[in-house]
Amino acid sequence: KAGVTQTPRYLIKTRGQQVTLSCSPISGHRSVSWYQQTPGQGLQFLFEYFSETQRNKGNFPGRFSGRQFSNSRSEMNVSTLELGDSALYLCASSGEVGSYNEQFFGPGTRLTVL
Amino acid sequence: AQSVAQPEDQVNVAEGNPLTVKCTYSVSGNPYLFWYVQYPNRGLQFLLKYITGDNLVKGSYGFEAEFNKSQTSFHLKKPSALVSDSALYFCAVRDMNSGAGSYQLTFGKGTKLSVIP
Repeated sequence: KAGVTQTPRYLIKTRGQQVTLSCSPISGHRSVSWYQQTPGQGLQFLFEYFSETQRNKGNFPGRFSGRQFSNSRSEMNVSTLELGDSALYLCASSGEVGSYNEQFFGPGTRLTVL
Repeated sequence: AQSVAQPEDQVNVAEGNPLTVKCTYSVSGNPYLFWYVQYPNRGLQFLLKYITGDNLVKGSYGFEAEFNKSQTSFHLKKPSALVSDSALYFCAVRDMNSGAGSYQLTFGKGTKLSVIP
């Protein structure tokens, strides 16, 4: 099975712009989670989707949003970019809700805000 | 709220020696515990998990971890370190009693492991 894929791998934006990141989960996985990784804050949970519904949301401002499509692919959007949004954004997918499966992570999208 | 602590930012060990990367956790309910490894410019790779049962869990690449409920710890171990084990290691916890069905993980800050030839 192919792993979790994320596009693009690298992105450079300027302050005030918006950005959309994409994630394709492992085939058959219906749960997709997003995490932000920075040197200062480490790995922080952004949100989680299952069957197109947001199940959980982390402590991030409303500029961060996401969605999931019927094929389980997910996108996250960050509007009005700030310098502090520079980070590695990781997507992870998991199997059925309620099972004991671990999350499988993609390679990440490295976002740099100038 | 759940939390994970990795008390060491960096661990140095000589190749061939045993290694331990420490992790302690705090959850209100029963813990799901995980270890992940991250190589430079890569995502996280799953190493092992504890759900229930045997306190000694074996995982990928010769790693194992010991769950200790009384000490709320889940230390990662390997009997003989390899230079290729050098990477960033993350401990994570999922609270089984929160967010019905949620896979949300809370991660520690990470421990950089350097294996010296």
